[in-house]
Amino acid sequence: DAGVIQSPRHEVTEMGQEVTLRCKPISGHDYLFWYRQTMMRGLELLIYFNNNVPIDDSGMPEDRFSAKMPNASFSTLKIQPSEPRDSAVYFCASSLNRVTDTQYFGPGTRLTVL
Amino acid sequence: GESVGLHLPTLSVQEGDNSIINCAYSNSASDYFIWYKQESGKGPQFIIDIRSNMDKRQGQRVTVLLNKTVKHLSLQIAATQPGDSAVYFCAENSPPGQLTFGSGTQLTVLP
Repeated sequence: DAGVIQSPRHEVTEMGQEVTLRCKPISGHDYLFWYRQTMMRGLELLIYFNNNVPIDDSGMPEDRFSAKMPNASFSTLKIQPSEPRDSAVYFCASSLNRVTDTQYFGPGTRLTVL
Repeated sequence: GESVGLHLPTLSVQEGDNSIINCAYSNSASDYFIWYKQESGKGPQFIIDIRSNMDKRQGQRVTVLLNKTVKHLSLQIAATQPGDSAVYFCAENSPPGQLTFGSGTQLTVLP
């Protein structure tokens, strides 16, 4: 099993640019989660999906952030326009059936906004 | 709001000794807890979980203890090895339907 796959692993961009992060969950998992990790705030849940449908997006910081899951094997997290304070490591995770089943994390995308 | 917290941000142990990482939680309604390990440059990795109807659960070299009376969770690592050096997070299912992660403890194994 390849596990959760994320791309890119590193992204450096300039303020104001659009950033798109990608995630492929583990096959057969019904839940997908997007997290952001910073030294100041730790690991924060941004949004999660069940069967491709967004369930809770209350953690999305602003309208500049949006997430989609067009099918069971792909999700994107988009930031437009990006700002320096968005610099963080973004993780995608998936779980099998229930939201509190073990979540398996991807390797993360380290985003730096200059 | 209620949150998961850790007593110690850093812990250093000698190789071969046992490690104990503690976690306090404040939501008495939480019924599921997980410990994750995060190595540098990697995503969190599941270690062990426990449900509130249990006091103790053992895995390979790891044991999780749950004390609901004082809302305390601990992770014990037996015979700590250099590969155990990482940040350890506890998480609880609060608010309902979500996992809330603690701030993490950095474990350093000394040679």
